Amino acid sequence: GAGVSQSPRYKVAKRGQDVALRCDPISGHVSLFWYQQALGQGPEFLTYFQNEAQLDKSGLPSDRFFAERPEGSVSTLKIQRTQQEDSAVYLCASSTPLGLLFTQYFGPGTRLLVL
Amino acid sequence: AQSVTQLDSQVPVFEEAPVELRCNYSSSVSVYLFWYVQYPNQGLQLLLKYLSGSTLVKGINGFEAEFNKSQTSFHLRKPSVHISDTAEYFCAVSSGSSNTGKLIFGQGTTLQVKP
Repeated sequence: GAGVSQSPRYKVAKRGQDVALRCDPISGHVSLFWYQQALGQGPEFLTYFQNEAQLDKSGLPSDRFFAERPEGSVSTLKIQRTQQEDSAVYLCASSTPLGLLFTQYFGPGTRLLVL
Repeated sequence: AQSVTQLDSQVPVFEEAPVELRCNYSSSVSVYLFWYVQYPNQGLQLLLKYLSGSTLVKGINGFEAEFNKSQTSFHLRKPSVHISDTAEYFCAVSSGSSNTGKLIFGQGTTLQVKP
C-alpha cells in the first residue's frame, strides 16, 4: 500500500517568510510524529499526535513552530518568520500503536532551505 | 535523559567484508532499541528492533544486532556487505516508560562499501 507522503519535497524560503509542510500518513495510522534533521545530524523529535490530539510538543524549538492534525489524518507543520537555522529536512512518521510495540514509518522528508 | 552515541561517523569497508556499526545508549529506564537505514533522498527505513526477549535480533537485508544491557550497547553487524548497503545508518532509542514512543536518534554512521 501507499507509504507516508510529504509535500513539498523541497522548499526554498526567504528569511521571514512563513512555510507550511504537509504530511499524509499511512491510512489508519493513529500516531503521527514530526522530526527535524539538520545536515549531518540524526533526526530530532519535534511533536507527536494521537489522532487529532497533540500529546507532546516538547521538541518544538520555538513558538514560531506550530503543528496541527485537525481531522486525525493529514498533518501540517507551519513555521512562521523562518530563520536560517530552520534549514533542515523535516521528516514525518506514522504508526499504529499496539501498546508500545509499533514501528514508525517515515516519509521521504521535506528539505527546507531558508535564504 | 536518554541519549544515543554512535561511535563512528564513517565506516569504510570493502565489498563482501564483515562490518560492525557501534551504538551505545544511556537511559535510567528500560528501553526499546532500533536501527534505521537512510538512502540518499529517502526517508528512514527500519532495519530491526529490540523490544524484549532474545538479545540477538535479526533484521532485513542480512543485518543483525545484539542488545547488551551491561554495556548499554546495541551494535549492528553484517557478515558480508554489498555495494547496495552504502547508506546512512541511525541507532535510536525509545523509553519503555514513554507514552508516545518518540525516538531519540544518534548522529548517524555513514557506511561506505567499496568494490
